[in-house]
Amino acid sequence: AQKITQTQPGMFVQEKEAVTLDCTYDTSDPSYGLFWYKQPSSGEMIFLIYQGSYDQQNATEGRYSLNFQKARKSANLVISASQLGDSAMYFCAMRERSGGGADGLTFGKGTHLIIQP
Amino acid sequence: KAGVTQTPRYLIKTRGQQVTLSCSPISGHRSVSWYQQTPGQGLQFLFEYFSETQRNKGNFPGRFSGRQFSNSRSEMNVSTLELGDSALYLCASSPTGDSNQPQHFGDGTRLSIL
Repeated sequence: AQKITQTQPGMFVQEKEAVTLDCTYDTSDPSYGLFWYKQPSSGEMIFLIYQGSYDQQNATEGRYSLNFQKARKSANLVISASQLGDSAMYFCAMRERSGGGADGLTFGKGTHLIIQP
Repeated sequence: KAGVTQTPRYLIKTRGQQVTLSCSPISGHRSVSWYQQTPGQGLQFLFEYFSETQRNKGNFPGRFSGRQFSNSRSEMNVSTLELGDSALYLCASSPTGDSNQPQHFGDGTRLSIL
């Protein structure tokens, strides 16, 4: 079974609109971290935001916020006021803490976001 | 602060050859992880090094190996290259590799096997 599921292969959004990228995860580990990364066409992976499983508050970083619903095992990324430069692939990732994160980061398949002017 | 540096950026090899990729982590970061990214399999974890020791390993054949030096720089080696090894290889570093620390990635090495 997939540990990270991103159900939106691609999305088109108008500039300045808010966008929500979906991510659900599967783990039996009570302690884990959730991450979102952005990958422009040039290839580099850019860290956006982190949410720990025990964090009480949803994480926010500038225009990025994470809608963390632990019971539903979902960690959706919200980008407010989208910009043309937000066009990229977005990956949700998880690292479980038990076993020292033995498998490194587990990534979803990604969502290709295109911002239209 | 300089980011993660990977060299070379592009590499073309033929089947059966071997290749070595290099990664210099962010200064002060002691954990280095390697990932393979392909269109079919997506991003997959190869291995992680910390203090010159391989701490974790993904599900890859023994042809894939690595090492880490005392200055935390890391190299990844792939022997007897196969067509399926064509991929973007990404290196990432973090201070100690704790699972609550973001991993910061380099620009990657794009390896093409002919």
